[in-house]
Amino acid sequence: GAGVSQTPSNKVTEKGKYVELRCDPISGHTALYWYRQSLGQGPEFLIYFQGTGAADDSGLPNDRFFAVRPEGSVSTLKIQRTERGDSAVYLCASSLGPTGSQETQYFGPGTRLLVL
Amino acid sequence: RKEVEQDPGPFNVPEGATVAFNCTYSNSASQSFFWYRQDCRKEPKLLMSVYSSGNEDGRFTAQLNRASQYISLLIRDSKLSDSATYLCVVGRSASKIIFGSGTRLSIRP
Repeated sequence: GAGVSQTPSNKVTEKGKYVELRCDPISGHTALYWYRQSLGQGPEFLIYFQGTGAADDSGLPNDRFFAVRPEGSVSTLKIQRTERGDSAVYLCASSLGPTGSQETQYFGPGTRLLVL
Repeated sequence: RKEVEQDPGPFNVPEGATVAFNCTYSNSASQSFFWYRQDCRKEPKLLMSVYSSGNEDGRFTAQLNRASQYISLLIRDSKLSDSATYLCVVGRSASKIIFGSGTRLSIRP
């Protein structure tokens, strides 16, 4: 079946602009994660959804970052007033949920964000 | 100190060699352990879960040492296609899933 998809695959924007990154998880997966990965680093946790609600948003770096998942499927990560330091690959992952950390996460191909 | 630490490498070994790398974690409440593989400019993919008793999947063997708080990955008879970055992943809860920075492995002909 279809895996996790993310759009756009690449996004170039100017400092101060607003961007939205979209994630389509695997059908039936209730858990959805957003990560940010910089060069030479592992994925860094941003936010976790179980169903429609953000169960843990402790990884969001500041209030410029926000994510929603209104119908418990597609999620959008929103970044306001982008800064050059926001440049990274933004990865989305989903898992069957909700049995916690034991489950396999399936990652999307990521969105490469470049803020000029 | 990072919660999950890995030797970044790169490990450069000839085809057919055996290679092993470790990952240490600092939180003793950690419950789940995984190795993910990430190819250049691709997303991470699960290689194998790591169980307390140790487990093997073909040429890959993973071990967990709770007392010393490390996990290991052993690759036997390495192939050119094993060249990748190997990410150690440690979980405490559904959201507390921590990725290491990865160990780069390069297999040469």
